[in-house]
Amino acid sequence: GENVEQHPSTLSVQEGDSAVIKCTYSDSASNYFPWYKQELGKGPQLIIDIRSNVGEKKDQRIAVTLNKTAKHFSLHITETQPEDSAVYFCAARDFGNEKLTFGTGTRLTIIP
Amino acid sequence: GAVVSQHPSWVICKSGTSVKIECRSLDFQATTMFWYRQFPKQSLMLMATSNEGSKATYEQGVEKDKFLINHASLTLSTLTVTSAHPEDSSFYICSARNPGQAPSTDTQYFGPGTRLTVL
Repeated sequence: GENVEQHPSTLSVQEGDSAVIKCTYSDSASNYFPWYKQELGKGPQLIIDIRSNVGEKKDQRIAVTLNKTAKHFSLHITETQPEDSAVYFCAARDFGNEKLTFGTGTRLTIIP
Repeated sequence: GAVVSQHPSWVICKSGTSVKIECRSLDFQATTMFWYRQFPKQSLMLMATSNEGSKATYEQGVEKDKFLINHASLTLSTLTVTSAHPEDSSFYICSARNPGQAPSTDTQYFGPGTRLTVL
């Protein structure tokens, strides 16, 4: 089955700086890679996703890059703000499989 | 994005009682819903996949007789924790797959979660 590794587990960034979270996956058949943001006591919120036919996707301050050859994908947050503080999860799913495999999460803290 | 609701948001019950959690997709029909549990500072653990009108598929190690799942309609799935014990205390989260969303049908949206505390 799929295995997703996520690094780092914790990340502290000065407000205004950029944050990068990286994930690697094991199943080369995986073709869908979403990122979720989870605030304390709440459910995960989809913030961006990318499919295997695209190498990069951007939505305002958030971007995701995908390297299929190396089987890794990354979340980039620029101009970080205090409200970006949360736990971020990456996930992967292969074609035809309904289940998402999640990474272990990254606790991002933005320092004012 | 699509909206998924859960009810209740939190529940406290006595050991031995049963608790039902509802998950609804509010603005789309979800052919597939998923139930997760999450312990503090840990990732999401998939418990079961629920398809409308059919029996749920449980992950290995999840007791199907203890965690009863019913997906009665395209907008409602329920999780019933039967004979709850303190070790069942956790954060339960449902998610729903939106099959009609263009340009693809992959997107999965999560509910706000239900905090279960068993005394």
